[in-house]
Amino acid sequence: SQQGEEDPQALSIQEGENATMNCSYKTSINNLQWYRQNSGRGLVHLILIRSNEREKHSGRLRVTLDTSKKSSSLLITASRAADTASYFCATDGKGSARQLTFGSGTQLTVLP
Amino acid sequence: EAGVAQSPRYKIIEKRQSVAFWCNPISGHATLYWYQQILGQGPKLLIQFQNNGVVDDSQLPKDRFSAERLKGVDSTLKIQPAKLEDSAVYLCASSQLRYRGADTQYFGPGTRLTVL
Repeated sequence: SQQGEEDPQALSIQEGENATMNCSYKTSINNLQWYRQNSGRGLVHLILIRSNEREKHSGRLRVTLDTSKKSSSLLITASRAADTASYFCATDGKGSARQLTFGSGTQLTVLP
Repeated sequence: EAGVAQSPRYKIIEKRQSVAFWCNPISGHATLYWYQQILGQGPKLLIQFQNNGVVDDSQLPKDRFSAERLKGVDSTLKIQPAKLEDSAVYLCASSQLRYRGADTQYFGPGTRLTVL
């Protein structure tokens, strides 16, 4: 079963605009990660936020985490055509195996 | 450093045939994962190895899927016999998995399987 659910399922924006994707999850977590997947490729790790953090930045990426609402958001600022990809949130549960459970993803299209 | 290698990249078979996928993780990564990603969905974990031992295979359809990781390095995933619903991308990932730290997984490019 998929723990995280991304919203929206698809997002289309113009180059230069900001893109915001949301993720909701169901159970307690150690951390939450965001991955990007270009068409036909494997997933690439973008950013990790721990359960005791509320906000984290990496370049043009900003991630927030609200553990009380079991939700996270990924903001990509000043988007580029190269940001076109699927974005997945993944939760790292509190079990010792430390497995990641992925959501269903948001397909982002950035139009030039 | 070299990334996670997978082969083949594409495979087309008929139902009831068998198929095998190979994965070579990043050097030094003790943990290896196999995921199944159906079109339009996120990856679903099939099996997790720590060195050459299985940590979790609860979502592996064991009547037709098998996996091994000999000598704690390379791994193979086999499907025998394949069904139409096995059509998916099979992703391999590896990580260092520090018990008290966060686990970043590094993914290979995947093998796209089409079962006709």
